[in-house]
Amino acid sequence: AQKVTQAQTEISVVEKEDVTLDCVYETRDTTYYLFWYKQPPSGELVFLIRRNSFDEQNEISGRYSWNFQKSTSSFNFTITASQVVDSAVYFCALSDGGYQKVTFGTGTKLQVIP
Amino acid sequence: DARVTQTPRDKVTEMGQEVTMRCQPILGHNTVFWYRQTMMQGLELLAYFRNRAPLDDSGMPKDRFSAEMPDATLATLKIQPSEPRDSAVYFCASGLFGFGYTFGSGTRLTVV
Repeated sequence: AQKVTQAQTEISVVEKEDVTLDCVYETRDTTYYLFWYKQPPSGELVFLIRRNSFDEQNEISGRYSWNFQKSTSSFNFTITASQVVDSAVYFCALSDGGYQKVTFGTGTKLQVIP
Repeated sequence: DARVTQTPRDKVTEMGQEVTMRCQPILGHNTVFWYRQTMMQGLELLAYFRNRAPLDDSGMPKDRFSAEMPDATLATLKIQPSEPRDSAVYFCASGLFGFGYTFGSGTRLTVV
């Protein structure tokens, strides 16, 4: 069975601080995919990134970066120089490599204070 | 940008009524998911389709929920009869096998 754990329920940071959102996953599959989604107060779910299990390279996109470590089953997300617009709930998700059933974590609510 | 379109955006209905939610996936996407989001349960997978065929609907209460894809441009989720505990936001998502998934804006269902 697949499982995604986001232990941080809520995080508050002051604008311009860096913040890391943790994601730990469990799966028996050797091929799998990991995702991060953002849900701003408006409610929509916005796709941020997808990473497959064979690609452990870290990725940077502007102020966003992702650290994938298979050894610790973690796929952490860092926002550098946070901004108020980053305030949202962030979900980590996992899908198997076959049917690709996507399982979401419980989300981390990030509040960036001006 | 291509979008997943969900209708209605909001729905208020009385207990016992039938509710139908619709989703238009992005053209060319072969995988469609239905999720339900509540404060208590978070995002729960209800059902998903690949090339219009249902792959897994184990997350759905079978006695009252049904999901179909009558054609490649339409996915439906029906609740009959609806109950107050069905109040939630229902999301549809579509994507290509092996890639990320795009979510619709959701249908906020309130059953009174």
